[in-house]
Amino acid sequence: GNSVTQMEGPVTLSEEAFLTINCTYTATGYPSLFWYVQYPGEGLQLLLKATKADDKGSNKGFEATYRKETTSFHLEKGSVQVSDSAVYFCALSRGAGANNLFFGTGTRLTVIP
Amino acid sequence: DAGVIQSPRHEVTEMGQEVTLRCKPISGHNSLFWYRQTMMRGLELLIYFNNNVPIDDSGMPEDRFSAKMPNASFSTLKIQPSEPRDSAVYFCASSLLRDSEAFFGQGTRLTVV
Repeated sequence: GNSVTQMEGPVTLSEEAFLTINCTYTATGYPSLFWYVQYPGEGLQLLLKATKADDKGSNKGFEATYRKETTSFHLEKGSVQVSDSAVYFCALSRGAGANNLFFGTGTRLTVIP
Repeated sequence: DAGVIQSPRHEVTEMGQEVTLRCKPISGHNSLFWYRQTMMRGLELLIYFNNNVPIDDSGMPEDRFSAKMPNASFSTLKIQPSEPRDSAVYFCASSLLRDSEAFFGQGTRLTVV
């Protein structure tokens, strides 16, 4: 079956620290992988995605590389800001639509000045 | 663009009462999705519609849950009778096509006491 496992939170970092949120997946075939972000009081927004092995998705300074050999899609950012405080969800899909999305449980990130 | 609009944002109700959650998708989008988010199970797809027709309701937990989409600009998710274990955040999402990027609403936080 399809499933996503992401690191437990919450994660608290100081501003300008390096961020890694781990995500591993189980899937049949070759899924697409996504990171969604949920800012306080808002809905989920697509942050970045990768559709095949070795692809790197990037947006707003965040990056994640689709690693088929380790079935991972870890989210990284070199220098976090207070405005990055949010809940981050890793997800996989056999297609891009929300009917095919399998989400991780989410990781809450708090960045302190 | 107003995005996906859900109402109410918060709902507190007593066990046994009927609860109706509402969603207005982005204008022009043909697919609509209802998700439920809990601490235990994360984000789960409940049902999705394509062109106002329910396509897959296999995620609906039981007969107490029902969803309708009477027209392209409105959908409801109803729980009757409600139970404390239904307490969760319910998200609506829409996409232009079934397999295109989904845009999420801000969610409705339901508490059943």
